[in-house]
Amino acid sequence: EAQVTQNPRYLITVTGKKLTVTCSQNMNHEYMSWYRQDPGLGLRQIYYSMNVEVTDKGDVPEGYKVSRKEKRNFPLILESPSPNQTSLYFCASDSTSGGRREQFFGPGTRLTVL
Amino acid sequence: AQSVTQLGSHVSVSEGALVLLRCNYSSSVPPYLFWYVQYPNQGLQLLLKYTSAATLVKGINGFEAEFKKSETSFHLTKPSAHMSDAAEYFCAVTGANNLFFGTGTRLTVIP
Repeated sequence: EAQVTQNPRYLITVTGKKLTVTCSQNMNHEYMSWYRQDPGLGLRQIYYSMNVEVTDKGDVPEGYKVSRKEKRNFPLILESPSPNQTSLYFCASDSTSGGRREQFFGPGTRLTVL
Repeated sequence: AQSVTQLGSHVSVSEGALVLLRCNYSSSVPPYLFWYVQYPNQGLQLLLKYTSAATLVKGINGFEAEFKKSETSFHLTKPSAHMSDAAEYFCAVTGANNLFFGTGTRLTVIP
C-alpha cells in the first residue's frame, strides 16, 4: 500500500530535550515536506526537500532541522524544543520535484512541549 | 506571492442541502489549485485539483469545484450534504516549490 508513515503519532516532551520525528514514504517520491498545523492558521510549511541531499526552508523553519540522506526518509529534528512548537505535524511527499502534482500526507504527529 | 483565503472558518448545513465552501486565491503565475479534506484524527486527503485543463473539476465523494479566473475563485460545492462529509476542508495554491494552504473551513452537517 502506498503510504507516508510518521512516528511517533503522539509525543509529550519537555523544553530543551532533543527529539526526532521520523517520516518515510514508499512511493519513490522525489519531493518531501514538513508542515505544522495550528488552529486558525491552517498548514504552514517548515522545510521541504526536492531530492536526496537537497533541502530548503519553508515559511516557518526556525527551531527545526531536517535531513534527506535517503530518498524515502525525511526526519524532522527539534534540537531544543520550546512550548511554541506544540503543534500537529504532517509529513507529505509528491512525485514531482516541485510538489505540484499531488501531495500525499502522513497521519500526523501531535507534539506537546511542556 | 501566492496565497489563498477561505471565507468562513465554520459552515453548517443540513443533511441533503447544498454545500458551498469558498476559496479565493492570489497568484502571480497561472495557479494550480487544490482542495484537501481532513477527517478527525487523520491526515489530509486530496479531494480534487485544478491544473489548467477543464475549469470545472470533479473530485471524490461527489464534490466539484469551478476555477473562475475573473473572480480569482475556486469554490468547492456538493449538491447534497451527507453526514460523512463532516470534516475540515483546506484550499491550497502552488508556490514555486510548495503549497500555500488556507486556514481551513470546518463543515458541520446537521441531521
